[in-house]
Amino acid sequence: GDSVTQMEGPVTLSEEAFLTINCTYTATGYPSLFWYVQYPGEGLQLLLKATKADDKGSNKGFEATYRKETTSFHLEKGSVQVSDSAVYFCALSDGQTGANNLFFGTGTRLTVIP
Amino acid sequence: DGGITQSPKYLFRKEGQNVTLSCEQNLNHDAMYWYRQDPGQGLRLIYYSQIVNDFQKGDIAEGYSVSREKKESFPLTVTSAQKNPTAFYLCASSKTDRAVGYTFGSGTRLTVV
Repeated sequence: GDSVTQMEGPVTLSEEAFLTINCTYTATGYPSLFWYVQYPGEGLQLLLKATKADDKGSNKGFEATYRKETTSFHLEKGSVQVSDSAVYFCALSDGQTGANNLFFGTGTRLTVIP
Repeated sequence: DGGITQSPKYLFRKEGQNVTLSCEQNLNHDAMYWYRQDPGQGLRLIYYSQIVNDFQKGDIAEGYSVSREKKESFPLTVTSAQKNPTAFYLCASSKTDRAVGYTFGSGTRLTVV
């Protein structure tokens, strides 16, 4: 079945460090891929997405490239800020299982220290 | 602005009581979803609905019930049959286009006392 595997956290970085959060997926067909961010006590917000191979999603300095050959969608940011501290979820939608149900990874908690 | 509203933000329930969590959206989305999130864990799908008057069980539907009488509303009832209901509950909605992604509410934290 469809699934998403995320790098386990927590991840702690100093401000201005480079961030990578790994995400790999298993899916049939050609899924859409997403990164969501959850700030403390809040719901999830869509951070970026990619709908086909080699697409790069980007937002707020974050980037992720849809790599079909490695079934990956790693999240990167060149210089993190304290305000980036949150939980990040990788997700996929294959559209095969009715509606467009999302399959989520377990989330990676990022803490950025000044 | 359009969005999805969950209420209340915090809810306390005595053991043995049913409680209903509200979820309303004005995005004109066809599909709606309920997820449960436990501390340090990912999201687990409880129920989803693609159209009014129709809904399907997700991975952890036992002890929960839903209704979809209106396109805008998808309330979740946590029944006394749910053995461990304390959690953070998230409602979401989406268009049928799978590439769009979901819009989430801000969540309801339910605590059994």
